[in-house]
Amino acid sequence: SQKIEQNSEALNIQEGKTATLTCNYTNYSPAYLQWYRQDPGRGPVFLLLIRENEKEKRKERLKVTFDTTLKQSLFHITASQPADSATYLCALETGASKIIFGSGTRLSIRP
Amino acid sequence: GAVVSQHPSWVICKSGTSVKIECRSLDFQATTMFWYRQFPKQSLMLMATSNEGSKATYEQGVEKDKFLINHASLTLSTLTVTSAHPEDSSFYICSARAKIVGGSIYGYTFGSGTRLTVV
Repeated sequence: SQKIEQNSEALNIQEGKTATLTCNYTNYSPAYLQWYRQDPGRGPVFLLLIRENEKEKRKERLKVTFDTTLKQSLFHITASQPADSATYLCALETGASKIIFGSGTRLSIRP
Repeated sequence: GAVVSQHPSWVICKSGTSVKIECRSLDFQATTMFWYRQFPKQSLMLMATSNEGSKATYEQGVEKDKFLINHASLTLSTLTVTSAHPEDSSFYICSARAKIVGGSIYGYTFGSGTRLTVV
């Protein structure tokens, strides 16, 4: 069955640096992959979606890449700010139209 | 943008009682809604898919008689935890996806979640 892995449980970086989060999946390449932000005690908030035929997608300070050869997506936050501190989840949709999530990476940006 | 409203945001109930959680799509119609459960420091686990006008589809290991799902309209799905026990204490979250328009694909919109504590 399809699995998603986010290798880093936690990431702590200095304000102003670029945060890079990794998401790997195991089986078939999904038609698209999604990234969400989750704050404590809240539901996830959709950030970006990238299709399998797109190498890169940008939205303000966010950038997502999708490498179907490596079966990997990278999520970048440039010029990071303390307000970016949260848990970031990658997700993909299975053939049964169900979305499965990675375990998340807890990002902390220190001033 | 698409908004999903979930109520209550938290609830404390006694063991053996039932609790109902509501999930509403405010500005779009959702033929399908999803219910997740999340334990501390863990990811979201899909419990069931709620289909408007038909029975919900439950994931393996989720007791359908314990977690009753009703999707009576295109904007409302409810999850009832029956005969709740302390091990049912968790964070429950619903989600839906706004209709695909013009070939664009949107991400899922999530409710704000319900923290259930069974004492």
